[in-house]
Amino acid sequence: AQRVTQPEKLLSVFKGAPVELKCNYSYSGSPELFWYVQYSRQRLQLLLRHISRESIKGFTADLNKGETSFHLKKPFAQEEDSAMYYCALGDQGAQKLVFGQGTRLTINP
Amino acid sequence: DVKVTQSSRYLVKRTGEKVFLECVQDMDHENMFWYRQDPGLGLRLIYFSYDVKMKEKGDIPEGYSVSREKKERFSLILESASTNQTSMYLCASSLWRQPQHFGDGTRLSIL
Repeated sequence: AQRVTQPEKLLSVFKGAPVELKCNYSYSGSPELFWYVQYSRQRLQLLLRHISRESIKGFTADLNKGETSFHLKKPFAQEEDSAMYYCALGDQGAQKLVFGQGTRLTINP
Repeated sequence: DVKVTQSSRYLVKRTGEKVFLECVQDMDHENMFWYRQDPGLGLRLIYFSYDVKMKEKGDIPEGYSVSREKKERFSLILESASTNQTSMYLCASSLWRQPQHFGDGTRLSIL
């Protein structure tokens, strides 16, 4: 069965510090991984997907099939990064998503 | 820009009522989804649809049904609302093999 685990419910870092949000998955096939973000009073939106291999708002994420992980990283956190972050795993050609429990990131000034 | 519109931002209903949550998308997307979002549990898929009049159960379909009579509209139905269905409900749509786009959500309270 597909499963996504985000071990940290809450993560707090200072502005300018590096940030890493952890995501581990369980899937027997070829995974497609996503990070979604929800800023305060905004709708859930796509941040990045692993097949794009791009950096969005300074965030990157590398798929590590050996460790079954897709951690989200940013070298220098900014206050506007404070939000709820969800890791998601796609199956059936990425039509259906399984989400992790979410991590609430707070960037302190 | 993709627009996924959920008919209500807030809704209060009573136990035992039949509740309809409506979702409309304006980008001719084939796929539509209903999730519920609960603290500590993330998003859980209730039902999804790949085409008109087509539906498939997600991970937590019990107590819910759906209707997709037109491509742009996907309705979630709570047949007999119960207090444990108090939650935030999110609708999403997507093209084939493309990322999902979400609505603003409906916060439903069952009293």
